[in-house]
Amino acid sequence: NAGVTQTPKFQVLKTGQSMTLQCAQDMNHNSMYWYRQDPGMGLRLIYYSASEGTTDKGEVPNGYNVSRLNKREFSLRLESAAPSQTSVYFCASRDGGGDTEAFFGQGTRLTVV
Amino acid sequence: GQSLEQPSEVTAVEGAIVQINCTYQTSGFYGLSWYQQHDGGAPTFLSYNALDGLEETGRFSSFLSRSDSYGYLLLQELQMKDSASYFCAPMDSSYKLIFGSGTRLLVRP
Repeated sequence: NAGVTQTPKFQVLKTGQSMTLQCAQDMNHNSMYWYRQDPGMGLRLIYYSASEGTTDKGEVPNGYNVSRLNKREFSLRLESAAPSQTSVYFCASRDGGGDTEAFFGQGTRLTVV
Repeated sequence: GQSLEQPSEVTAVEGAIVQINCTYQTSGFYGLSWYQQHDGGAPTFLSYNALDGLEETGRFSSFLSRSDSYGYLLLQELQMKDSASYFCAPMDSSYKLIFGSGTRLLVRP
């Protein structure tokens, strides 16, 4: 099993450009998450989807939109990229609430110039 | 709301024991998870405590006190490869998964 797959792995954008980060999981998990991690910092939750068909804001949602396309896929869109959005973005999934372990993708390293 | 506190950095010597603390405030608390992240890598799950007390998994143990809203991760027989960041994450009745700011562990020879 591939687990959680993120594309692309690296991306450079110019200020004002838009892009979509893709995330897919093959573990039949219900919940999916998007985080950003700035250098030397912790993981901050951008948006999450508790189950297919639902999405909710996390700690830092401004400047982002998400789509839970189906049970497998959860995309993150930057409509008008800003240098402050330069970060490493991680997607994660888990089976549900409670004690279930979260699995992370390998991250997308995004630079906005 | 939810709040988490962890020390930002801990340094220890190879072969020693180190404890990384986590205090939390969250409603609908279920339990406390710990994750490890090496530089340049993705976080990986280490442990989960639902009940008070110590859970041991090899060289790593995790402790929870629900009444004190406190937990810790204990790493024994430290190895150089244990140099990483460690995050606590309280599990609650929502589906949110919020992490602490992380503790950077530096293991010295």
